Amino acid sequence: DIQMTQSPASLSASLGETVTIECLASEDIYSNLAWYQQKPGKSPQLLIYYANSLNDGVPSRFSGSGSGTQYSLKINSLQSEDVSIYFCQQNYDSPNTFGAGTKLELK
Amino acid sequence: QVTLKESGPGMLQPSKTLSLTCSFSGFSLSTSGMVVSWIRQPSGKSLEWLAAIDWDGDKYYNPSLKSRLTVSKDTSNTQVFLKITSVDIADTATYYCARRHPIFNYGSSYVMDAWGQGASVTVSS
Repeated sequence: DIQMTQSPASLSASLGETVTIECLASEDIYSNLAWYQQKPGKSPQLLIYYANSLNDGVPSRFSGSGSGTQYSLKINSLQSEDVSIYFCQQNYDSPNTFGAGTKLELK
Repeated sequence: QVTLKESGPGMLQPSKTLSLTCSFSGFSLSTSGMVVSWIRQPSGKSLEWLAAIDWDGDKYYNPSLKSRLTVSKDTSNTQVFLKITSVDIADTATYYCARRHPIFNYGSSYVMDAWGQGASVTVSS
């Protein structure tokens, strides 16, 4: 199985700040990378697919980038509603696998 | 509006068979390319893709659990089911069903754009 390593495991940031979350795949996944947001007590919601395509209804302050084995999720101008756990998922090979998650909190 | 909702027993004993139901609306599982997946998440941990069934009735499983999983759907294409045999404490988790994003109408890409609220399952004696 392809291993997905996310970093950091947690981070604390202030309102209005820009934050970046990284995801490293154990092999080339050719941009087949999705990001999900999971708010406390809720189910995951798709943010980005194909590494940089924003899902419908997702605010433009979210963006994704990367290629090969290295990918990142950037959140510009952090809002209080962005407090969540973020997961990356590779959908290049079966079984699709997820990162361990990054917990984002407000400072 | 796409909605999915999982239902299950809540709690069951080790060695029993777990049966879960996903009831959905707002899309048709008979549409070419459509897929419903099952994913689980132990409390405080990450997500694990378990299984999927497509519009044609083809089934796909995580190899690590394949021998214990059975996914199926009803003939009206409004419900999907998952059975897990011989459960143990490690199967304690919230179980989600989710729809594959329609743009991924091929292959083994399970990017999910709509999720149910999850069904909490506890395995305990």
